[in-house]
Amino acid sequence: AQSVTQLGSHVSVSEGALVLLRCNYSSSVPPYLFWYVQYPNQGLQLLLKYTSAATLVKGINGFEAEFKKSETSFHLTKPSAHMSDAAEYFCAVSFQGAQKLVFGQGTRLTINP
Amino acid sequence: DAMVIQNPRYQVTQFGKPVTLSCSQTLNHNVMYWYQQKSSQAPKLLFHYYDKDFNNEADTPDNFQSRRPNTSFCFLDIRSPGLGDAAMYLCATSKGLAGVGETQYFGPGTRLLVL
Repeated sequence: AQSVTQLGSHVSVSEGALVLLRCNYSSSVPPYLFWYVQYPNQGLQLLLKYTSAATLVKGINGFEAEFKKSETSFHLTKPSAHMSDAAEYFCAVSFQGAQKLVFGQGTRLTINP
Repeated sequence: DAMVIQNPRYQVTQFGKPVTLSCSQTLNHNVMYWYQQKSSQAPKLLFHYYDKDFNNEADTPDNFQSRRPNTSFCFLDIRSPGLGDAAMYLCATSKGLAGVGETQYFGPGTRLLVL
């Protein structure tokens, strides 16, 4: 079955520290991969997406993610956390021929001053 | 700016009283989606329209209906809201279906409270 898993429902880092949010997928066909961010009482905003071009994808707000086929992963990173990065982050995947996105469970990122 | 608009942002209704949520888009996208999101959970797809073709998720309750009168507008009707229907309702649009890697663009959501 095709699925996506986010490791860690809560991640807490200090301001200025590295942010690493993990996402693994399960699929026998090449996926399309997305990271979305959701601030409180807001909709989801696209951070970045992978669609089989470059494996390292740069997104908005200083975030980037690397597609690693051998590890079936698409982890999200940011070198230096800012207080404004505190939010819920969702990894999502779609597959060729599919009609919908499959979302991970979400990771709540907290930034400590 | 092209965008996805949802009205109202907050909706309070009474148990069993029908309610309609509205979504409009200026992106001229073919696909419009309705998601339900409960606290600390991922969005759950209720249904989507590809142009006028309606696609209902198998586990969407009959209490939820949708209408798309034209390309720009899509409505979510909850015929008899129960307490368990209190949630954030998100509308999203995309140019094409997820299976070709199209990005979904989300509106700000409507938070529904059922009293």
